[in-house]
Amino acid sequence: ETGVTQSPTHLIKTRGQQVTLRCSSQSGHNTVSWYQQALGQGPQFIFQYYREEENGRGNFPPRFSGLQFPNYSSELNVNALELDDSALYLCASSQEGVSSYNEQFFGPGTRLTVL
Amino acid sequence: AQKVTQAQTEISVVEKEDVTLDCVYETRDTTYYLFWYKQPPSGELVFLIRRNSFDEQNEISGRYSWNFQKSTSSFNFTITASQVVDSAVYFCALSEEETSGSRLTFGEGTQLTVNP
Repeated sequence: ETGVTQSPTHLIKTRGQQVTLRCSSQSGHNTVSWYQQALGQGPQFIFQYYREEENGRGNFPPRFSGLQFPNYSSELNVNALELDDSALYLCASSQEGVSSYNEQFFGPGTRLTVL
Repeated sequence: AQKVTQAQTEISVVEKEDVTLDCVYETRDTTYYLFWYKQPPSGELVFLIRRNSFDEQNEISGRYSWNFQKSTSSFNFTITASQVVDSAVYFCALSEEETSGSRLTFGEGTQLTVNP
Protein backbone atom coordinates (compact mmCIF):
# COMPACT_ATOMS: atom_id res chain seq x y z
CA GLU A 1 0.00 0.00 0.00
CA THR A 2 1.47 3.33 -1.09
CA GLY A 3 1.29 6.16 1.40
CA VAL A 4 0.60 9.83 0.77
CA THR A 5 3.25 11.44 -1.42
CA GLN A 6 3.90 15.11 -2.10
CA SER A 7 5.99 16.97 -4.62
CA PRO A 8 8.21 18.83 -4.71
CA THR A 9 10.00 18.37 -1.40
CA HIS A 10 11.37 21.88 -1.33
CA LEU A 11 10.58 24.98 -3.34
CA ILE A 12 11.92 28.52 -3.41
CA LYS A 13 9.86 31.30 -4.98
CA THR A 14 9.90 35.07 -4.97
CA ARG A 15 7.16 37.36 -3.80
CA GLY A 16 4.36 37.78 -6.35
CA GLN A 17 4.97 34.47 -8.11
CA GLN A 18 2.56 31.57 -8.33
CA VAL A 19 3.17 28.02 -7.09
CA THR A 20 1.53 24.61 -7.52
CA LEU A 21 2.03 21.84 -4.99
CA ARG A 22 0.98 18.27 -5.67
CA CYS A 23 -0.31 15.42 -3.56
CA SER A 24 -1.06 11.79 -4.32
CA SER A 25 -3.46 10.29 -1.83
CA GLN A 26 -3.11 6.89 -0.26
CA SER A 27 -4.62 4.05 -2.25
CA GLY A 28 -8.38 3.80 -1.66
CA HIS A 29 -8.69 7.29 -0.18
CA ASN A 30 -11.09 9.77 -1.80
CA THR A 31 -10.72 12.76 0.51
CA VAL A 32 -7.76 15.11 0.56
CA SER A 33 -7.08 17.94 3.01
CA TRP A 34 -4.37 20.59 2.86
CA TYR A 35 -2.72 22.24 5.85
CA GLN A 36 -0.22 25.06 6.22
CA GLN A 37 2.32 24.81 9.02
CA ALA A 38 4.36 27.92 9.72
CA LEU A 39 7.63 27.48 11.58
CA GLY A 40 7.06 26.70 15.25
CA GLN A 41 3.29 26.46 14.92
CA GLY A 42 0.67 23.80 14.53
CA PRO A 43 -0.82 22.98 11.12
CA GLN A 44 -3.68 25.20 9.97
CA PHE A 45 -6.50 23.79 7.82
CA ILE A 46 -6.63 25.33 4.33
CA PHE A 47 -9.35 23.30 2.58
CA GLN A 48 -10.59 19.82 1.85
CA TYR A 49 -11.64 18.03 -1.34
CA TYR A 50 -14.06 15.14 -1.49
CA ARG A 51 -14.83 13.49 -4.83
CA GLU A 52 -13.40 16.44 -6.74
CA GLU A 53 -15.48 19.08 -4.93
CA GLU A 54 -14.25 21.52 -2.30
CA ASN A 55 -15.77 20.55 1.01
CA GLY A 56 -14.86 23.05 3.69
CA ARG A 57 -12.34 25.84 3.79
CA GLY A 58 -10.33 27.42 6.56
CA ASN A 59 -9.48 31.07 7.03
CA PHE A 60 -7.35 31.48 3.91
CA PRO A 61 -7.78 34.06 1.11
CA PRO A 62 -9.03 33.13 -2.37
CA ARG A 63 -5.51 33.20 -3.79
CA PHE A 64 -5.22 29.76 -2.19
CA SER A 65 -7.09 27.38 -4.49
CA GLY A 66 -7.12 23.70 -5.17
CA LEU A 67 -8.16 20.87 -7.40
CA GLN A 68 -8.85 17.21 -6.98
CA PHE A 69 -8.60 14.86 -9.93
CA PRO A 70 -10.59 11.71 -10.78
CA ASN A 71 -7.77 9.57 -9.38
CA TYR A 72 -8.15 11.58 -6.12
CA SER A 73 -4.75 13.23 -6.38
CA SER A 74 -4.79 16.92 -5.61
CA GLU A 75 -3.11 20.25 -6.26
CA LEU A 76 -2.75 23.32 -4.10
CA ASN A 77 -2.23 26.57 -6.00
CA VAL A 78 -1.12 29.80 -4.40
CA ASN A 79 -1.15 33.03 -6.42
CA ALA A 80 0.60 36.31 -5.68
CA LEU A 81 2.92 34.76 -3.12
CA GLU A 82 3.67 36.71 0.04
CA LEU A 83 6.55 36.32 2.46
CA ASP A 84 4.15 34.92 5.08
CA ASP A 85 3.28 32.05 2.77
CA SER A 86 6.64 30.51 3.65
CA ALA A 87 5.71 27.30 5.45
CA LEU A 88 5.50 23.53 5.33
CA TYR A 89 2.44 22.49 3.33
CA LEU A 90 0.97 19.18 4.39
CA CYS A 91 -1.45 17.03 2.49
CA ALA A 92 -3.58 14.43 4.23
CA SER A 93 -5.84 11.78 2.76
CA SER A 94 -8.66 9.80 4.30
CA GLN A 95 -11.12 7.17 3.27
CA GLU A 96 -14.79 7.31 2.50
CA GLY A 97 -15.97 10.83 2.97
CA VAL A 98 -15.73 13.61 5.45
CA SER A 99 -16.72 12.10 8.76
CA SER A 100 -14.59 13.32 11.59
CA TYR A 101 -14.07 9.68 12.53
CA ASN A 102 -11.88 9.02 9.54
CA GLU A 103 -8.20 8.99 10.31
CA GLN A 104 -6.14 11.28 8.12
CA PHE A 105 -2.81 10.06 6.80
CA PHE A 106 -0.27 12.78 6.22
CA GLY A 107 2.37 13.13 3.56
CA PRO A 108 5.93 14.36 4.21
CA GLY A 109 5.07 17.91 3.19
CA THR A 110 6.45 20.52 0.80
CA ARG A 111 8.68 23.19 2.29
CA LEU A 112 7.94 26.48 0.51
CA THR A 113 10.24 29.45 0.96
CA VAL A 114 9.17 32.83 -0.40
CA LEU A 115 11.94 35.41 -0.79
CA ALA B 1 -15.43 27.76 17.95
CA GLN B 2 -13.06 24.88 18.40
CA LYS B 3 -9.68 25.41 20.01
CA VAL B 4 -6.82 23.25 21.25
CA THR B 5 -4.28 24.51 23.75
CA GLN B 6 -0.95 22.91 24.50
CA ALA B 7 0.49 25.12 27.20
CA GLN B 8 3.89 23.43 27.28
CA THR B 9 5.99 24.80 24.44
CA GLU B 10 9.10 22.80 25.25
CA ILE B 11 9.91 19.96 27.63
CA SER B 12 13.34 18.50 28.25
CA VAL B 13 13.85 15.25 30.17
CA VAL B 14 16.56 12.71 30.73
CA GLU B 15 16.18 9.26 29.24
CA LYS B 16 14.01 6.85 31.29
CA GLU B 17 12.06 9.67 32.92
CA ASP B 18 8.29 9.71 32.56
CA VAL B 19 6.82 12.76 30.85
CA THR B 20 3.26 14.04 30.44
CA LEU B 21 2.17 16.33 27.62
CA ASP B 22 -0.91 18.39 28.38
CA CYS B 23 -3.79 19.15 26.00
CA VAL B 24 -6.91 21.19 26.73
CA TYR B 25 -9.65 21.62 24.14
CA GLU B 26 -12.76 23.70 23.55
CA THR B 27 -15.75 22.63 21.51
CA ARG B 28 -19.52 23.09 21.41
CA ASP B 29 -20.16 19.81 19.60
CA THR B 30 -21.30 16.79 21.54
CA THR B 31 -19.62 14.42 19.11
CA TYR B 32 -15.96 15.03 18.51
CA TYR B 33 -12.67 13.23 18.17
CA LEU B 34 -9.33 13.91 19.75
CA PHE B 35 -6.00 12.94 18.27
CA TRP B 36 -2.32 12.95 19.08
CA TYR B 37 0.29 13.17 16.34
CA LYS B 38 4.06 13.00 16.49
CA GLN B 39 6.20 15.09 14.15
CA PRO B 40 9.85 14.05 13.98
CA PRO B 41 12.43 16.35 12.35
CA SER B 42 11.59 14.83 8.95
CA GLY B 43 8.29 16.73 9.12
CA GLU B 44 5.77 13.98 8.49
CA LEU B 45 2.93 13.80 11.01
CA VAL B 46 2.64 10.33 12.53
CA PHE B 47 -0.73 9.31 13.93
CA LEU B 48 -0.60 8.02 17.52
CA ILE B 49 -4.17 7.79 18.78
CA ARG B 50 -7.81 8.76 18.12
CA ARG B 51 -10.40 8.98 20.88
CA ASN B 52 -14.10 9.80 20.49
CA SER B 53 -16.04 11.99 22.88
CA PHE B 54 -18.14 9.11 24.21
CA ASP B 55 -15.25 6.96 25.29
CA GLU B 56 -13.49 8.23 28.40
CA GLN B 57 -11.56 5.07 29.08
CA ASN B 58 -7.87 5.62 29.43
CA GLU B 59 -5.74 3.82 26.91
CA ILE B 60 -2.29 2.29 27.12
CA SER B 61 -0.15 1.25 24.20
CA GLY B 62 3.29 0.08 25.22
CA ARG B 63 5.08 3.03 26.82
CA TYR B 64 2.33 5.45 25.75
CA SER B 65 -0.82 6.18 27.70
CA TRP B 66 -3.62 8.70 27.32
CA ASN B 67 -5.90 10.22 29.94
CA PHE B 68 -9.15 11.67 28.58
CA GLN B 69 -11.27 13.69 31.02
CA LYS B 70 -14.37 15.41 29.63
CA SER B 71 -15.00 17.18 32.94
CA THR B 72 -11.82 19.19 32.48
CA SER B 73 -11.75 19.08 28.65
CA SER B 74 -8.33 17.52 28.74
CA PHE B 75 -6.63 14.76 26.78
CA ASN B 76 -3.16 14.28 28.22
CA PHE B 77 -0.44 12.03 26.86
CA THR B 78 2.15 10.26 29.01
CA ILE B 79 5.33 8.59 27.83
CA THR B 80 6.75 6.17 30.37
CA ALA B 81 10.49 5.49 30.49
CA SER B 82 11.23 8.00 27.73
CA GLN B 83 13.82 7.25 25.07
CA VAL B 84 15.94 9.47 22.85
CA VAL B 85 13.85 8.37 19.84
CA ASP B 86 10.82 9.97 21.47
CA SER B 87 12.32 13.39 20.77
CA ALA B 88 9.89 15.17 18.45
CA VAL B 89 7.12 17.74 18.36
CA TYR B 90 3.82 16.35 19.60
CA PHE B 91 0.50 17.78 18.49
CA CYS B 92 -2.94 17.37 19.99
CA ALA B 93 -5.82 17.86 17.54
CA LEU B 94 -9.62 18.01 17.52
CA SER B 95 -12.25 17.31 14.88
CA GLU B 96 -15.95 18.01 15.32
CA GLU B 97 -18.56 15.82 13.67
CA GLU B 98 -21.27 18.47 13.28
CA THR B 99 -19.39 21.68 12.80
CA SER B 100 -16.36 20.88 10.76
CA GLY B 101 -16.41 17.29 9.61
CA SER B 102 -12.98 15.79 9.38
CA ARG B 103 -10.94 19.01 9.42
CA LEU B 104 -8.42 18.95 12.24
CA THR B 105 -7.77 21.81 14.60
CA PHE B 106 -4.27 21.50 16.01
CA GLY B 107 -2.65 22.88 19.09
CA GLU B 108 0.64 24.73 18.85
CA GLY B 109 2.62 21.63 19.70
CA THR B 110 5.04 20.59 22.44
CA GLN B 111 8.70 20.11 21.56
CA LEU B 112 9.93 17.13 23.58
CA THR B 113 13.66 16.59 23.92
CA VAL B 114 14.89 13.41 25.57
CA ASN B 115 18.55 13.62 26.53
CA PRO B 116 20.73 10.53 26.97
